[in-house]
Amino acid sequence: NAGVTQTPKFQVLKTGQSMTLQCAQDMNHEYMSWYRQDPGMGLRLIHYSVGAGITDQGEVPNGYNVSRSTTEDFPLRLLSAAPSQTSVYFCASQRAAGGYQETQYFGPGTRLLVL
Amino acid sequence: GDSVTQMEGPVTLSEEAFLTINCTYTATGYPSLFWYVQYPGEGLQLLLKATKADDKGSNKGFEATYRKETTSFHLEKGSVQVSDSAVYFCALSDQAGGSYIPTFGRGTSLIVHP
Repeated sequence: NAGVTQTPKFQVLKTGQSMTLQCAQDMNHEYMSWYRQDPGMGLRLIHYSVGAGITDQGEVPNGYNVSRSTTEDFPLRLLSAAPSQTSVYFCASQRAAGGYQETQYFGPGTRLLVL
Repeated sequence: GDSVTQMEGPVTLSEEAFLTINCTYTATGYPSLFWYVQYPGEGLQLLLKATKADDKGSNKGFEATYRKETTSFHLEKGSVQVSDSAVYFCALSDQAGGSYIPTFGRGTSLIVHP
């Protein structure tokens, strides 16, 4: 199993540009999440999905869109990049079966720099 | 709402020293508690977890006990190594939340010197 994969590993954008961060998992997990990690702020939840076709907002959703057309993929779209979106982005997945006892599995992250 | 509070870092220790990283939580329901570790340049990975009161999670020499009476889940290791240098995150997942997406603390950086 590859686990959770993310592409690209590193990206530089100019203010106003759009892009999509890709996330895929091969563990057949129902839940998937996107976080951003900033110094001193820990992990903040952007959006999450509890299954194909179902998404919801997390703590910091503004400026980001998501969709979940398949179990495997959960892309994160930046509509119009801003310097405040410079961060490290992590995708994670977990099974639904064990509910609140389940472990999250994380991808290696995407480092985004917005100039 | 749910929240997790961790001691601020960085925590700097010499090799073979005793480690404690404090974690306390607030939860609506009866949560599961987790410690995740992030090595430099990597994503988070589970270190240990506990799903009910008085359970002790353990892995790689690290331990944490679920204390419901003090709402705490402190991480300990008797003798740290340089290879333990990483950022440690305490997290909870609440059965009352519905989505089961964890809530994370801000992380504590550990630096171990030879």
